[in-house]
Amino acid sequence: DSGVTQTPKHLITATGQRVTLRCSPRSGDLSVYWYQQSLDQGLQFLIQYYNGEERAKGNILERFSAQQFPDLHSELNLSSLELGDSALYFCASSVASGVASSGNTIYFGEGSWLTVV
Amino acid sequence: AQKITQTQPGMFVQEKEAVTLDCTYDTSDQSYGLFWYKQPSSGEMIFLIYQGSYDEQNATEGRYSLNFQKARKSANLVISASQLGDSAMYFCAMRERPGSNYQLIWGAGTKLIIKP
Repeated sequence: DSGVTQTPKHLITATGQRVTLRCSPRSGDLSVYWYQQSLDQGLQFLIQYYNGEERAKGNILERFSAQQFPDLHSELNLSSLELGDSALYFCASSVASGVASSGNTIYFGEGSWLTVV
Repeated sequence: AQKITQTQPGMFVQEKEAVTLDCTYDTSDQSYGLFWYKQPSSGEMIFLIYQGSYDEQNATEGRYSLNFQKARKSANLVISASQLGDSAMYFCAMRERPGSNYQLIWGAGTKLIIKP
């Protein structure tokens, strides 16, 4: 158990709908990351928050948005869903956002499987 | 250009044998971190081992060790005494600092199958 909690674990929804994925980071971790893993594109970094503020943005679509709340949990909102959005969405967390120290290991949740039909 | 290269798309290994999964990386940063993750068929991404660019000793975690050769930009994962439960996808990832952002850059993964 990594200590990162993601809900829901599985979600099936129709095209055009909107969903919210929720993430609770490990206790003490200030950084939260969102990743998308699809069969044809591998792992794609979406966005990172550090202590409530956006720190880095990756290949996140305009239809997607995220935020990190004062209690450090984070939500990823996916709207106007398309079939191609079907993927495994990971949340991950780390203590800080620095680079080369062991305290910056990034731990992943179990993922949220999203199927758009 | 590929930043993380895993040259083995798939590997079959006999149970109890040692396994080496290859990973080479490309960065001009002096400060970076290297990670290995395991992803079983159930989907979760499990952290295995970490190596910092300034660490002089190779990282070890139980049956996992990282063969870090900085000059060659190589960070191979070694699994000793493989078990059936080691069958999974294995990803090598690097964290560098382009500008002010810190992001994980992922390899394409190696699918490891342990044969009984």
